[in-house]
Amino acid sequence: GAVVSQHPSRVICKSGTSVKIECRSLDFQATTMFWYRQFPKQSLMLMATSNEGSKATYEQGVEKDKFLINHASLTLSTLTVTSAHPEDSSFYICSAGGAPGETQYFGPGTRLLVL
Amino acid sequence: KQEVTQIPAALSVPEGENLVLNCSFTDSAIYNLQWFRQDPGKGLTSLLLIQSSQREQTSGRLNASLDKSSGRSTLYIAASQPGDSATYLCAVNSNSGYALNFGKGTSLLVTP
Repeated sequence: GAVVSQHPSRVICKSGTSVKIECRSLDFQATTMFWYRQFPKQSLMLMATSNEGSKATYEQGVEKDKFLINHASLTLSTLTVTSAHPEDSSFYICSAGGAPGETQYFGPGTRLLVL
Repeated sequence: KQEVTQIPAALSVPEGENLVLNCSFTDSAIYNLQWFRQDPGKGLTSLLLIQSSQREQTSGRLNASLDKSSGRSTLYIAASQPGDSATYLCAVNSNSGYALNFGKGTSLLVTP
């Protein structure tokens, strides 16, 4: 199947700093990528839909000014957590897919710990 | 809004048993349903994808069924092994968009 990578796999940062997470589709082009967040013992919750060349669509309750998404090419989307706080500590996973209804491929996830 | 529920939340079985994981969803207007496996602290591994027009899919010891009209899916694992221990997530791709709606998962422990 298709491969999606994420970088970094793990990051620890101080409160107030910004953290950038990259999501890459390695062997296919993805016009749409998705960013999910998973808190301990919880399921994955969609944060935003990243559309190549246009603004991301955020889910209700997700601050677009705090979670900046850039999808500048068909193989790369980035999520920047600005002014991170301990409550932002979570597991962030991206996925990429083709058309609606087709299989989505997930990255390995990035574990963020904000001290 | 699509809601996905998985039962049971946790399950512990001895090696060799056959088991069934359940998933239900509230809106039957779906493109497909997907079962994933997640190991602790890891990403997702896709196990089976069932399109809305299909009734079931099989891969090795895994069989997933879909009853779209009743909003249910089951994942059947035959002859369970300790290596099957993981969290199993059910996710629905609704017609209203194509992000996935996930259940909270079933945490499976297979003991030797």
